[in-house]
Amino acid sequence: NAGVTQTPKFQVLKTGQSMTLQCAQDMNHNSMYWYRQDPGMGLRLIYYSASEGTTDKGEVPNGYNVSRLNKREFSLRLESAAPSQTSVYFCASRGDDWTRGYSPLHFGNGTRLTVT
Amino acid sequence: GIQVEQSPPDLILQEGANSTLRCNFSDSVNNLQWFHQNPWGQLINLFYIPSGTKQNGRLSATTVATERYSLLYISSSQTTDSGVYFCAVNTGGGNKLTFGTGTQLKVEL
Repeated sequence: NAGVTQTPKFQVLKTGQSMTLQCAQDMNHNSMYWYRQDPGMGLRLIYYSASEGTTDKGEVPNGYNVSRLNKREFSLRLESAAPSQTSVYFCASRGDDWTRGYSPLHFGNGTRLTVT
Repeated sequence: GIQVEQSPPDLILQEGANSTLRCNFSDSVNNLQWFHQNPWGQLINLFYIPSGTKQNGRLSATTVATERYSLLYISSSQTTDSGVYFCAVNTGGGNKLTFGTGTQLKVEL
């Protein structure tokens, strides 16, 4: 049982390049999330998807796009990378019953992105 | 939006010591979770505790929702407890968690 899998683990981009961060979960979760983590700022929500076919903006969506390809996969795309997007990116998923009770957030291991 | 503040920002302990980490939040919440990020960057869920007290081994947590704070207790600390501890909350019927800035804990031999 792999849980939440993110690829790649590391990436270096030049300003203006584009790339897609991939995320897949095998827990049959409806909800998926993309967070970024910067030093001293905790984790900030970029986008989330409450179910297949739906996506919503989080706290810091500018410069990013997302695709919920199917129930398992939720990708994050940087169309034109900027140095301010240097960060560690985490994908997470949550089970269906979070509204009725406890359903923990499961995180991937992160992608460390550097934009020069 | 809701503000989440954690204290202290940094903490150094000798192995075997006890500690208390605090999370203050600015509005009523219906979900509060504590996470541990280990030195390798992995985020692990510790507690779901919108109110009351829970214990799991050497760790326990208490949330006083009416006073808008939560405490995480670590007893008999071990070097493997090192890392960053985050609390995260959400309000209303939303699906989004707002994270605090974390407490960086280092446990030394």
